[in-house]
Amino acid sequence: AQSVTQLDSQVPVFEEAPVELRCNYSSSVSVYLFWYVQYPNQGLQLLLKYLSGSTLVESINGFEAEFNKSQTSFHLRKPSVHISDTAEYFCAVSVIKAAGNKLTFGGGTRVLVKP
Amino acid sequence: EAGVAQSPRYKIIEKRQSVAFWCNPISGHATLYWYQQILGQGPKLLIQFQNNGVVDDSQLPKDRFSAERLKGVDSTLKIQPAKLEDSAVYLCASSSTSGVGDTQYFGPGTRLTVL
Repeated sequence: AQSVTQLDSQVPVFEEAPVELRCNYSSSVSVYLFWYVQYPNQGLQLLLKYLSGSTLVESINGFEAEFNKSQTSFHLRKPSVHISDTAEYFCAVSVIKAAGNKLTFGGGTRVLVKP
Repeated sequence: EAGVAQSPRYKIIEKRQSVAFWCNPISGHATLYWYQQILGQGPKLLIQFQNNGVVDDSQLPKDRFSAERLKGVDSTLKIQPAKLEDSAVYLCASSSTSGVGDTQYFGPGTRLTVL
């Protein structure tokens, strides 16, 4: 079975400061990795995903995440946050050779950007 | 393109009552998912449909939960009878295929409170 651990449940950060959200996973088989974001009163939206190729993946709004296979991590970073980045962020994995497309999520990290 | 639609958005019931949630996926998406998100936790997959067939229902409490997708389009999730621990947000998602890594698009969710 797979599991995902998000080490920080809440991360307060000042506007224009950098932020890093940590994600570690456990799996005996190869996985794909995802970050989803949930803005207040909205559904989850895909932020970025790693399927193959370059281990550094970027989103259109300035976030990036790096897949580290040896450390089984997929940390999310942004060099300068905006008030609008206030949201809950979920890391997730799916097993590459599974029959379905089940996502296993971590517990989430709530980011509060302060002015 | 219209997103995933869910109704109702909120529901409050007494324990032992029945409740049903409805989901309409993105047009043309063959795969539909129901997730349960308990407060403070990440979403957990309950059931995955490919067209009108079940791909994965291993985490669905089948003694009280049921789901159907009769025409391969919209879907209904039912709980009968409800327990206090069923209080959660029920998320519906869809993807164009059931291929692992295919992006899942989430609806806004139905928040269920069981008193």
